Amino acid sequence: DSGVTQTPKHLITATGQRVTLRCSPRSGDLSVYWYQQSLDQGLQFLIHYYNGEERAKGNILERFSAQQFPDLHSELNLSSLELGDSALYFCASTPGQGASPLHFGNGTRLTVT
Amino acid sequence: SQQGEEDPQALSIQEGENATMNCSYKTSINNLQWYRQNSGRGLVHLILIRSNEREKHSGRLRVTLDTSKKSSSLLITASRAADTASYFCATDPVSGYSTLTFGKGTMLLVSP
Repeated sequence: DSGVTQTPKHLITATGQRVTLRCSPRSGDLSVYWYQQSLDQGLQFLIHYYNGEERAKGNILERFSAQQFPDLHSELNLSSLELGDSALYFCASTPGQGASPLHFGNGTRLTVT
Repeated sequence: SQQGEEDPQALSIQEGENATMNCSYKTSINNLQWYRQNSGRGLVHLILIRSNEREKHSGRLRVTLDTSKKSSSLLITASRAADTASYFCATDPVSGYSTLTFGKGTMLLVSP
């Protein structure tokens, strides 16, 4: 058990809808990273938050947004969903800001129908 | 874009055999990390090798790094059926923002 909790485990929704994925980092970790994993694109970095502030954006669509709250949990919001957004979404946490080993949650599997 | 590229894409071996996976990358790095992912689960960190290291061991794992060739290899000795998983390399680049970039992974199947 990595100590990183993601909810929900599975999400099935229709095109055009909006969903929120939640991540609780390991106790004491200040950084949260979001990754998207699909069969064709592999594991793609989306966004990084450190202690409530956005630190970097990767291949994140404008329809997607995230935030990290004062209690350090993070939410990834996906809107105007398309079939191509179907993927596994992972969050990972680390104590600091550097790319030290990431501790991953078990992901949220999103299916857009 | 993918920084690390694993090779082969898939590998099938018998229990007791050794498994070797390779990773090539494009830019200078601070460190390279290997992760394992069981089907549908989160990635688990296995080992980190810094750019000034050439070889590192952890249990049945041996990692090498050749920065001149921009490549790394992961060797799993005496494989077990429980080693069946996907293995990913991830690079921490020197330039730009420090975040890990993952390859597409090698799927390892170890048959009893």
